[in-house]
Amino acid sequence: QQQVKQSPQSLIVQKGGISIINCAYENTAFDYFPWYQQFPGKGPALLIAIRPDVSEKKEGRFTISFNKSAKQFSLHIMDSQPGDSATYFCAARDSGGGADGLTFGKGTHLIIQP
Amino acid sequence: KAGVTQTPRYLIKTRGQQVTLSCSPISGHRSVSWYQQTPGQGLQFLFEYFSETQRNKGNFPGRFSGRQFSNSRSEMNVSTLELGDSALYLCASTPKPGAGGYTFGSGTRLTVV
Repeated sequence: QQQVKQSPQSLIVQKGGISIINCAYENTAFDYFPWYQQFPGKGPALLIAIRPDVSEKKEGRFTISFNKSAKQFSLHIMDSQPGDSATYFCAARDSGGGADGLTFGKGTHLIIQP
Repeated sequence: KAGVTQTPRYLIKTRGQQVTLSCSPISGHRSVSWYQQTPGQGLQFLFEYFSETQRNKGNFPGRFSGRQFSNSRSEMNVSTLELGDSALYLCASTPKPGAGGYTFGSGTRLTVV
């Protein structure tokens, strides 16, 4: 079973702080790693994604760090705001084989305290 | 640009019935995937369609099926509903398989009683 393990399950961060969510994967064929944000009653929304040929990608306050040798990647949210309170999912996909679509982590429930 | 549209938003069905859910992808997106989201199992891949052909299927029983039409719209069907089929069913579209950038709809909340 291809898996993506996500931690922590829940996270509380003070406003203005840095939120860090980590994911680890097993399948070395994975070559696309997106992060999604989901609010209650809504579908997941793509935040940022990375491919394994780069070690870091930044878009606004969101940064993905990718460590190919460790098979780990993480999401950093800088200057966290109450509006960032949501559930975050990491995911991975083998674009070449495409056998199983996106494989998701179990999610991290993030709360930003004002 | 309109997003991914899923209908209906909510459904209540009785055990043993069947249900059909609909998904209209973003204009120009030809690949449609379906996912099941539950509190216990999280987000799980059901199947992916491209050019009216099922490319991949996740680990779900044959009661779960789907199809795609020539305009890229997709439907999924669940027959002989079980209580455990209660979930949020999400559709995602992308221009083509492997392109990334999967955009999800708001989902259909199915409750089986």
